[in-house]
Amino acid sequence: GDSVTQMEGPVTLSEEAFLTINCTYTATGYPSLFWYVQYPGEGLQLLLKATKADDKGSNKGFEATYRKETTSFHLEKGSVQVSDSAVYFCALSANDYKLSFGAGTTVTVRA
Amino acid sequence: NAGVTQTPKFQVLKTGQSMTLQCAQDMNHEYMSWYRQDPGMGLRLIHYSVGAGITDQGEVPNGYNVSRSTTEDFPLRLLSAAPSQTSVYFCASSSVRRQDRTGELFFGEGSRLTVL
Repeated sequence: GDSVTQMEGPVTLSEEAFLTINCTYTATGYPSLFWYVQYPGEGLQLLLKATKADDKGSNKGFEATYRKETTSFHLEKGSVQVSDSAVYFCALSANDYKLSFGAGTTVTVRA
Repeated sequence: NAGVTQTPKFQVLKTGQSMTLQCAQDMNHEYMSWYRQDPGMGLRLIHYSVGAGITDQGEVPNGYNVSRSTTEDFPLRLLSAAPSQTSVYFCASSSVRRQDRTGELFFGEGSRLTVL
């Protein structure tokens, strides 16, 4: 079945450091890929998405590129802030509404 | 702009008790779903629905019932709570209409359930 594997955390960084969270997937066909973010005490919200190979999703300084050849969708941000502290989830959708999520990566950014 | 509303936000139950987690959305979404979130396991799909009168099982349905009598509401019922059901529960919805389809799920704020 469809599945997502993302790097285990927790990840602790200093402000202005570079962040990368690895995500790889297994799916039949051509899924859409997503990154969701969960801030403390809140529900998940969409951070960015890509719907086909070589698409790059971007939002709030975060980027991820859909790599079909490596079945990957790694999340990157060049300079993190304390406000980026959150749990990040990689997800895929083989159809247009059912999502499969990775285990989540907790990121803590220290001032 | 309410979006997806879940109640209650916190609940403590004793083993064997029953309860219902409520979920309502005001975006006219056809698709609604329930996930549970556990440390190190991400979000796992419990049940989902693609419209009123239609429900189906997800990855971890045992111990939970759902119904979908209206487009807006999708309650999750625990008939006999067990400590293994201690978790944070999220309701999520999206549109499946071709012209509105983005793949994005809209989440409620979560319901934290503890079963003693």
